[in-house]
Parts: sequence; structure tokens; C-alpha cells
Amino acid sequence: NAGVTQTPKFQVLKTGQSMTLQCAQDMNHEYMSWYRQDPGMGLRLIHYSVGAGITDQGEVPNGYNVSRSTTEDFPLRLLSAAPSQTSVYFCASGTLNQPQHFGDGTRLSIL
Amino acid sequence: AQSVTQPDIHITVSEGASLELRCNYSYGATPYLFWYVQSPGQGLQLLLKYFSGDTLVQGIKGFEAEFKRSQSSFNLRKPSVHWSDAAEYFCAVTLSNFGNEKLTFGTGTRLTIIP
Repeated sequence: NAGVTQTPKFQVLKTGQSMTLQCAQDMNHEYMSWYRQDPGMGLRLIHYSVGAGITDQGEVPNGYNVSRSTTEDFPLRLLSAAPSQTSVYFCASGTLNQPQHFGDGTRLSIL
Repeated sequence: AQSVTQPDIHITVSEGASLELRCNYSYGATPYLFWYVQSPGQGLQLLLKYFSGDTLVQGIKGFEAEFKRSQSSFNLRKPSVHWSDAAEYFCAVTLSNFGNEKLTFGTGTRLTIIP
């Protein structure tokens, strides 16, 4: 079972570039979330979705867009990358009354 | 504001010794509680969860945690640590009883094991 798959695993961008972090899950989970992890700050919620076509903002949504056109996929878009967005990004999925499963992360550096 | 506090940034324990990692939360209601472990360069693995019922919960790898409502705590324990337990540990909470899609994490405790 693949679980939650994130691509790419590593990425280096220049300031101002755009990119999409991919997240796919094969467990038919309704709920998906994006977090960023920064040293000494734990994980912070960026955006989340409770089903296809439904998304909402988390604690740190600025600079990020999401969409959820299918149950399986939940891409995270950086429209104009900034150095402050250098981080490790985790996607997670879950279902009713079950803990979230996390992907292995995408390590993103913005120069 | 809702928050999760892990007061210990770094803990060093001898192999075979007991372990307790602290977690306190600040919520108006009883949240759903989790402990996750992260090895270097890896994602997060769920150790255990508390939704309701028995306040002492058992998890994987010999870990357990106890929910104490009066102290707003959910401390993680292990009677005898192994070198492979060296990792970072995160406490997380949510008020969402649907898919737990809105987790609030503590800042983590890094565990070092010495021979």
C-alpha cells in the first residue's frame, strides 16, 4: 500500500518562482491537510480539505493555494516563492475518527 | 488561543532507563490527543491516540500515555528505552472529531539515547 505519496522529495527554487507540491493518497480518505515544519516550531497547518471541492485555511495560509478536485489528490501551490517559505512540507490524510497518515515530506529551499 | 506545550526541547536518557515526555494543552473542551514520532529525514509515525474512554492508552513500540483532564496533560511514557527510540516526538491535539484534519502540534522533544 502506497499510503500518502508526496512529490518531489526535494526542490530548490529561486525567489519569485512558482511550483506545485503534489500529494496523493490511495486510502479513499475524505480529509487531507498540508503542514509545514520549521525548526523549533513543530508542524503548522497551512490548508486542509474535508472532501473533494471543499478547502479551508489553516494557521499559516498566506502565500499558498490549494484545490481538491478529486478525493485522491491535494496539491499545494506556491504562486511566488519567498525565502520564508523554505521549509519541510508534509501532506496528511485521514478518515472519520481515525488519526491522520503522513507522507514522507517535501524539503523545499527558496534561494 | 488553543495551544500545545512540550516543555522539554531535548531529553537525554540512558539505554534501558525509563522515559517520560511531557505534553500540556490549552483548550476549552477535551480534545483528541496524539503522539507522533519522527526519525531524522522521515515523516511522522503515529505512536498512540486518545479519543475517549480509558485514560491510559497503549501504543506501538512499547509506549503508553495517560490523559489527565485535571492537569490538561497527555504525557508519553516508556519503561525501558532502546537506542532505536532516538527521534523527535510530537504531541498533537484536535477538536475535530471528523477526520482530525486540523491538528495543532507542540514544538517537539528531541530524544537522545546514550549507551
